[in-house]
Amino acid sequence: AQSVTQLGSHVSVSEGALVLLRCNYSSSVPPYLFWYVQYPNQGLQLLLKYTTGATLVKGINGFEAEFKKSETSFHLTKPSAHMSDAAEYFCAVSGFMDSNYQLIWGAGTKLIIKP
Amino acid sequence: DAGVIQSPRHEVTEMGQEVTLRCKPISGHDYLFWYRQTMMRGLELLIYFNNNVPIDDSGMPEDRFSAKMPNASFSTLKIQPSEPRDSAVYFCASSRGRPGAEQFFGPGTRLTVL
Repeated sequence: AQSVTQLGSHVSVSEGALVLLRCNYSSSVPPYLFWYVQYPNQGLQLLLKYTTGATLVKGINGFEAEFKKSETSFHLTKPSAHMSDAAEYFCAVSGFMDSNYQLIWGAGTKLIIKP
Repeated sequence: DAGVIQSPRHEVTEMGQEVTLRCKPISGHDYLFWYRQTMMRGLELLIYFNNNVPIDDSGMPEDRFSAKMPNASFSTLKIQPSEPRDSAVYFCASSRGRPGAEQFFGPGTRLTVL
């Protein structure tokens, strides 16, 4: 069975500091991995995804994530936090169960930016 | 493409009333998902459809909840009767059925049951 664990329900960083949001997954097959962002009072939108190929994936708004198979991780980073990055971030792994596709979601991490 | 469309965006109703939430997926997508999001329980998958057929409804909390997808461009989530604990944001999402396909989310319906 596939699963996703996000470490830390809340992460607080100062504006201009490095953002690191952690995601670990378990999967019996090569995974497809996603990061979504949810701004206040909005739906979820795709930030970036890993399917195959380059393990360092670049997304929107300066975010990137690195797929590390040996560590079963897909951590999200941004070199310098902006106030506008305050949002909730969800990690997900694509699952194929009973001949159907769905995403298995982490619990989410709220990113708080301190001025 | 207009993206996933949900209506209404906000719904306030009284306990015991019937509530119907609507969703129009992105054209060409063969999967449709209904989620519920609350502070206490986070994001929960309620039910999903493949080619208009319900595949897994194990996330539907009670028999008061029902969902239908009469055609490829429309789905409803109905709560009858509604209760205050149903207050939440309900999201609809759609995707293509292929490895690595992302889900596209609608803006959500914020439901308040008084």
